[in-house]
Amino acid sequence: SQQGEEDPQALSIQEGENATMNCSYKTSINNLQWYRQNSGRGLVHLILIRSNEREKHSGRLRVTLDTSKKSSSLLITASRAADTASYFCTYFYGQNFVFGPGTRLSVLP
Amino acid sequence: NAGVMQNPRHLVRRRGQEARLRCSPMKGHSHVYWYRQLPEEGLKFMVYLQKENIIDESGMPKERFSAEFPKEGPSILRIQQVVRGDSAAYFCASSPLRPGQGSPGELFFGEGSRLTVL
Repeated sequence: SQQGEEDPQALSIQEGENATMNCSYKTSINNLQWYRQNSGRGLVHLILIRSNEREKHSGRLRVTLDTSKKSSSLLITASRAADTASYFCTYFYGQNFVFGPGTRLSVLP
Repeated sequence: NAGVMQNPRHLVRRRGQEARLRCSPMKGHSHVYWYRQLPEEGLKFMVYLQKENIIDESGMPKERFSAEFPKEGPSILRIQQVVRGDSAAYFCASSPLRPGQGSPGELFFGEGSRLTVL
């Protein structure tokens, strides 16, 4: 299976703290993307990082990519209760996008 | 520009009935992906279609499941003779181009269709 893996599977933090989620993958990639899914909703694209990039920022999000270790991390700074959601990494492999099982983030007020 | 539209949002079927799930991609998008999600789990790829063509159906069970994306109209995921194990959320996503064709491949998702089989 080429499925990516996020860890931790679940993360619970207090509002204002930073949240870090990791993603490991198994093949060469052109880019890696992170998506967010609120409970009962569809996935929303957060950020894309290309294989020749090491770090990318978007607002309170920071994504890193280490192609030598085949891993990526998503950092959410100064978390808010509204950040409570599941977060997935994905990449294109073969003929489709492969998703990991996700990290379920709970931000407590 | 409307987003990806899926209907119905909720569908209840009895065992043995048929379920038809529809997905209208974003305007200008000719690539559609279908995924299945069980509660508290990630997305499992089912099928990738381009207008009038199935590109990859490796994730779709060979029996009872079929998908199409006609030249006109929405993409349809059809499940015949549903069983309780088919209960899940089915998500459709669209993109304008295939990754590598000048597009990074961002996917735009619908809100999903939740199938419950009694």
